[in-house]
Amino acid sequence: KAGVTQTPRYLIKTRGQQVTLSCSPISGHRSVSWYQQTPGQGLQFLFEYFSETQRNKGNFPGRFSGRQFSNSRSEMNVSTLELGDSALYLCASSPQGVTDTQYFGPGTRLTVL
Amino acid sequence: AQSVTQPDIHITVSEGASLELRCNYSYGATPYLFWYVQSPGQGLQLLLKYFSGDTLVQGIKGFEAEFKRSQSSFNLRKPSVHWSDAAEYFCAVGVPGPYKYIFGTGTRLKVLA
Repeated sequence: KAGVTQTPRYLIKTRGQQVTLSCSPISGHRSVSWYQQTPGQGLQFLFEYFSETQRNKGNFPGRFSGRQFSNSRSEMNVSTLELGDSALYLCASSPQGVTDTQYFGPGTRLTVL
Repeated sequence: AQSVTQPDIHITVSEGASLELRCNYSYGATPYLFWYVQSPGQGLQLLLKYFSGDTLVQGIKGFEAEFKRSQSSFNLRKPSVHWSDAAEYFCAVGVPGPYKYIFGTGTRLKVLA
């Protein structure tokens, strides 16, 4: 099976802009989770989608949002970008949810200038 | 509140030496426990996981971990480290209600030739 893919791999944006990141899970996986990884805060859970519904959410402001499509592909959107949003955004998929083994994609490196 | 602690930020070992990476968690019950490895520029790869049963868990690449309920620990071990093991290692717990993953801050392993 193909692994989790994320596009784009690298992004450079300026403050105030918005950005959309995409994640394609492993075929058959219905759960997609998003994480933010920064040197200061480590890996932090953003949200999880399962069968097109947000099932769980971390402690991030409303500027961070996501959605999942019927084919389980997921997008994450960040509006009104701030410098502190610069991070590696990781997507993970699993068959049923976060207590399953999660398979991570390579991430999208977002730089906000 | 649930938390995961990896007390060692950096560890340096010589190739061929044994390795133990520490992980302690704070949670009222036994969570699902995971160890992941992240190589530079890569996503996370699952090394092993513990859900229940035998407290000594074997993983990939020669790693093992032991769950000790009394100490709320899930330490990762390897009897003989290879240079290719140099990476960052993350301990994670999966907790219900609603389900989420909590990661430790990571331990960066350096291997000396």
